[in-house]
Amino acid sequence: AQKVTQAQTEISVVEKEDVTLDCVYETRDTTYYLFWYKQPPSGELVFLIRRNSFDEQNEISGRYSWNFQKSTSSFNFTITASQVVDSAVYFCALSEASGQNFVFGPGTRLSVLP
Amino acid sequence: ETGVTQSPTHLIKTRGQQVTLRCSSQSGHNTVSWYQQALGQGPQFIFQYYREEENGRGNFPPRFSGLQFPNYSSELNVNALELDDSALYLCASSPTGQGAYEQYFGPGTRLTVT
Repeated sequence: AQKVTQAQTEISVVEKEDVTLDCVYETRDTTYYLFWYKQPPSGELVFLIRRNSFDEQNEISGRYSWNFQKSTSSFNFTITASQVVDSAVYFCALSEASGQNFVFGPGTRLSVLP
Repeated sequence: ETGVTQSPTHLIKTRGQQVTLRCSSQSGHNTVSWYQQALGQGPQFIFQYYREEENGRGNFPPRFSGLQFPNYSSELNVNALELDDSALYLCASSPTGQGAYEQYFGPGTRLTVT
């Protein structure tokens, strides 16, 4: 069975600090996809990134970066120079290759204080 | 481009009643998935519809059922409501059921069962 663990329930940082959100996954599939979503207080989930299991290159998008390490089954998310608007719950998710079953982690609540 | 919309926004029902939630997919998307998100938890996959047929199902009882229409809009029906059904119900659309593409989420319907 697929499983996603986000060990950090809540994180608080001061604005401009860097913060890393951890994600560890379990799957028996050789082909799978990993995702990160952001859920701001408004409640609507916002897609951030999709990564397939064959692409272990790290990715950077502005202040966001992702570190995918297949050897440790981890897909961590770093926000550089955090801002108050980054405050939200962040979910890591795993999907089998067919896309039929998304498994979300429990989420990490990030609070960025001014 | 119109995003994913859901109706109603909020709903209060009594235990034992039936409820229908509605979702309009993002333009050009033919796949819709439904999720249940209990307070403080990650979304749990209910089922997915692709081209009007169920294309995968999570660990939910048969009293959770769905429909997808030719215009790709969708309904989630829940019979014999239980108190534990109180949650945020999220609909997500994606461009195709063939592959794990990113999903675009609606704002959700908050269901309260009393």
